[in-house]
Amino acid sequence: AQKVTQAQTEISVVEKEDVTLDCVYETRDTTYYLFWYKQPPSGELVFLIRRNSFDEQNEISGRYSWNFQKSTSSFNFTITASQVVDSAVYFCALRSGNTDKLIFGTGTRLQVFP
Amino acid sequence: EAGVAQSPRYKIIEKRQSVAFWCNPISGHATLYWYQQILGQGPKLLIQFQNNGVVDDSQLPKDRFSAERLKGVDSTLKIQPAKLEDSAVYLCASSSTWGQGSSYSYNEQFFGPGTRLTVL
Repeated sequence: AQKVTQAQTEISVVEKEDVTLDCVYETRDTTYYLFWYKQPPSGELVFLIRRNSFDEQNEISGRYSWNFQKSTSSFNFTITASQVVDSAVYFCALRSGNTDKLIFGTGTRLQVFP
Repeated sequence: EAGVAQSPRYKIIEKRQSVAFWCNPISGHATLYWYQQILGQGPKLLIQFQNNGVVDDSQLPKDRFSAERLKGVDSTLKIQPAKLEDSAVYLCASSSTWGQGSSYSYNEQFFGPGTRLTVL
């Protein structure tokens, strides 16, 4: 079975704090892709990153970084020096096997206070 | 480049009424997806088209939901009759994913702003 678990329902931080959003996935396929999307209050899902199962290198993009660990089936997302504009719901998603279907987690609502 | 367009943005109906949503994908994107996002949950795929053909509709409640993508561009999703549990945001996404088998090429899905449906 394929599943994505985001155990953190809601996180609140003060601006400039670092925050990590957890994502744990389940799949029996050896080839799969992991994604993070941001959903601001406007409702549109914004693509942040894609990672394939053969590439465990961590990635950094500005204040965002991602830690992919196959040994623990995790794909965690860290925001450094958070800003109010980072306030949104963040979704982790999995695509595996011969399908386009994205399996989403339940999301983590991040609130950044000034 | 224009993004995925959806209309209406909001719709309120009573149960047993019918409703339709419209989606215009990013120009040139062959693949179009409809997702249902119930409050507090992640999006769930309802149906996927490649050009005007259905690739996956395994999670579409076919007794009340229907979708079409005439001419392989715009798409409409219809609910008839609506139930209270259909209250959700309906998201349309598109990608330049195409092909099958060895010629398959997957690309990211880009989402529209969604239509928030409230069934009373």
